[in-house]
Amino acid sequence: AQRVTQPEKLLSVFKGAPVELKCNYSYSGSPELFWYVQYSRQRLQLLLRHISRESIKGFTADLNKGETSFHLKKPFAQEEDSAMYYCALRSGGGADGLTFGKGTHLIIQP
Amino acid sequence: DAGVTQSPTHLIKTRGQQVTLRCSPKSGHDTVSWYQQALGQGPQFIFQYYEEEERQRGNFPDRFSGHQFPNYSSELNVNALLLGDSALYLCASSPGRDRGFLNTGELFFGEGSRLTVL
Repeated sequence: AQRVTQPEKLLSVFKGAPVELKCNYSYSGSPELFWYVQYSRQRLQLLLRHISRESIKGFTADLNKGETSFHLKKPFAQEEDSAMYYCALRSGGGADGLTFGKGTHLIIQP
Repeated sequence: DAGVTQSPTHLIKTRGQQVTLRCSPKSGHDTVSWYQQALGQGPQFIFQYYEEEERQRGNFPDRFSGHQFPNYSSELNVNALLLGDSALYLCASSPGRDRGFLNTGELFFGEGSRLTVL
């Protein structure tokens, strides 16, 4: 069975400090990994996908198959980054449902 | 484009009752998925509909059923409600399952229907 683990329920950092949101997964095949974000009073939305290898709003995430991790990083946190972040997995190559982690609430302090 | 719309936004039911939740996908999308999000948890996949058929199902009992209409809108039905069914139910739409490169895995979510079972 596939599983996504986000060990931190809450992460608080100061503005300008680096941010790392941890995500570990278990899956026997080649998964597709995603980060979704939910800002206050907004709906859940895609932040980035590992396949596209892009940087969105200064965030990057690298898939590490050896460590089965997909940590989300940003070198300098901004107050507008405060939100709920969910890591999600989809079995590779399909159009299947996503398996989400429990989420990490990121708070950026001024 | 209003994006994904869901109704009702809130509802209260008692144990044993039945509930129907509705979803209209984003314009141009023909695949609808339903997720259950309990308090403090991430969304959990219930099932996915495409071409009016259930294509994939998560680990949910048969009390959870759905339907997709020719206009791609969808309903989620839950029978014999339990207290544990209290949650936010999210609908998400995406371009067609079989559209290759268009199927990027990006889901567009609605704001959800919050169900409280007393």
